[in-house]
Amino acid sequence: DSGVTQTPKHLITATGQRVTLRCSPRSGDLSVYWYQQSLDQGLQFLIQYYNGEERAKGNILERFSAQQFPDLHSELNLSSLELGDSALYFCASSVYRTGTFNEQFFGPGTRLTVL
Amino acid sequence: LAKTTQPISMDSYEGQEVNITCSHNNIATNDYITWYQQFPSQGPRFIIQGYKTKVTNEVASLFIPADRKSSTLSLPRVSLSDTAVYYCLVGPLGNRDDKIIFGKGTRLHILP
Repeated sequence: DSGVTQTPKHLITATGQRVTLRCSPRSGDLSVYWYQQSLDQGLQFLIQYYNGEERAKGNILERFSAQQFPDLHSELNLSSLELGDSALYFCASSVYRTGTFNEQFFGPGTRLTVL
Repeated sequence: LAKTTQPISMDSYEGQEVNITCSHNNIATNDYITWYQQFPSQGPRFIIQGYKTKVTNEVASLFIPADRKSSTLSLPRVSLSDTAVYYCLVGPLGNRDDKIIFGKGTRLHILP
């Protein structure tokens, strides 16, 4: 158990819909990362937040957005869903100190199925 | 961030030593090499990290030659439970703009 929690575990929805994935980081971790993993694409970095502010952006679509709240939990919002958005979505957290290795601790993931 | 190249998949047998090599020809002076392991339907987890020569922990060893253009993750006496995807990452420590690139990793399949 990494200490990172994600809800829900599974989500089934229809094309065109909007969903929200939730992540609670490990106690003490200020940084949250979101990743998308589909069968043929490997693990794709989407976005990183640090203490409420966006820190780095990866291959995140404009239909997707995220935020980190004052209590440090984070939400990933996916809208106008398409079949291709079906994937495992992972959240990770780290302490994130500059000049040192920031091991990322991953949650169990949310499996999104778009029908 | 330095681009890495790993084999897509590997097979081995229980009890064998497995070596997975990662190429990173354009590694920078301040880059470190980190390996993560991902079991099916789970998030990746950190295995080992190094800068040069050899690093060993209770799970694996990491061998890095003097030119640092490649690295080898060594798993001693593997078991069926070592079947997983192994990712090699190269980048500076705590980089402000650390867009972590996991790539597709190496899918290791351990046979009985």
